[in-house]
Amino acid sequence: QKEVEQNSGPLSVPEGAIASLNCTYSDRGSQSFFWYRQYSGKSPELIMSIYSNGDKEDGRFTAQLNKASQYVSLLIRDSQPSDSATYLCAVKQLGQAGTALIFGKGTTLSVSS
Amino acid sequence: ETGVTQTPRHLVMGMTNKKSLKCEQHLGHNAMYWYKQSAKKPLELMFVYSLEERVENNSVPSRFSPECPNSSHLFLHLHTLQPEDSALYLCASSQELNSGGSPLHFGNGTRLTVT
Repeated sequence: QKEVEQNSGPLSVPEGAIASLNCTYSDRGSQSFFWYRQYSGKSPELIMSIYSNGDKEDGRFTAQLNKASQYVSLLIRDSQPSDSATYLCAVKQLGQAGTALIFGKGTTLSVSS
Repeated sequence: ETGVTQTPRHLVMGMTNKKSLKCEQHLGHNAMYWYKQSAKKPLELMFVYSLEERVENNSVPSRFSPECPNSSHLFLHLHTLQPEDSALYLCASSQELNSGGSPLHFGNGTRLTVT
């Protein structure tokens, strides 16, 4: 059973701090990794994708991937109250017909002002 | 209109009712998906369609019946549901099914309550 694990939280950080969200996955063949943000009562929206080992930065967001450790993380710098949401880690394995994304349960982030 | 549109936004139905959820994507994508989101559980993949052909049925009970008449439209027909089927049903689309770099774009979902 392919699994994607996330700490459900809540993760509480003060405004302006760095929020660190972590995700581990069980399938070593996984090739594509995504972070989605989901506000309460809304649908998930894509915020970052990463495909190779290392860091990828986009504004205040940095995704980090370590395939050897089967670990992907999301850092949010200068956290804002508007970042308060559930963050979903999603993993995809190439080469399997019909395979879509496998999601973790999500980590709830709360940024206090 | 752009993106992925789902109707209705909310649906309450009895266990003996028959209803349908509708999804339409305006992104020119080739793959469409149904996901179920229940409280405290990960998003569960239900069905995958690529170019109108079903390529995955993730052990979903037969009381859920998908239909994909063309690459822009996806339906989920519901009949004789159970209270545990109450959840948020999300439709999504992606440019290509087997491309690793093709992320999902979600609709706003249908909040289903089975009484």
